[in-house]
Amino acid sequence: KNEVEQSPQNLTAQEGEFITINCSYSVGISALHWLQQHPGGGIVSLFMLSSGKKKHGRLIATINIQEKHSSLHITASHPRDSAVYICAVLMDSNYQLIWGAGTKLIIKP
Amino acid sequence: DAGITQSPRYKITETGRQVTLMCHQTWSHSYMFWYRQDLGHGLRLIYYSAAADITDKGEVPDGYVVSRSKTENFPLTLESATRSQTSVYFCASSDLAVGTNEKLFFGSGTQLSVL
Repeated sequence: KNEVEQSPQNLTAQEGEFITINCSYSVGISALHWLQQHPGGGIVSLFMLSSGKKKHGRLIATINIQEKHSSLHITASHPRDSAVYICAVLMDSNYQLIWGAGTKLIIKP
Repeated sequence: DAGITQSPRYKITETGRQVTLMCHQTWSHSYMFWYRQDLGHGLRLIYYSAAADITDKGEVPDGYVVSRSKTENFPLTLESATRSQTSVYFCASSDLAVGTNEKLFFGSGTQLSVL
């Protein structure tokens, strides 16, 4: 069983829809990252969370430490949001990052 | 310019050759990382460094060598390239530490093909 599981693997939605991507983990962590990788390959860090909720524009990330679960939400989705979204957790034992496999999001106009 | 830069952006080499991928960051971040990304796999850690002159193996270190004589540079060397090392390589940096709120910053990637 992978230590970091993302769901869904693939998601296709229409422009304007509310998007939720989930990340569950099984190890003790000190923080969780959400990152975005565009088709061109560049990886951009969106959020780093250790508790609660963060918001940046149309993106919202939440984390529940007790349930070992985080979600990334996109409101009013747009085709330019099409990308792979990756969750990574920072282990509290050795500060190494464990990566999820990513969620490929396609937003159709 | 401030940021993290990788070079070259693309590289084609032959099996058995030595190849060095460069990574340079201007933030004086303590931590630097090398990842490879292959189809069907998430990012896999090759090596990381917590500070100058401190390096440690990641998940897939075999066939790679790193050094960190200066905080800002973290080159990755493939001593004798193999076809299985064809991949996209990403360098990243951060000030990861307890209590910090730092994000990870990634270079643009190096697409390496070993023929």
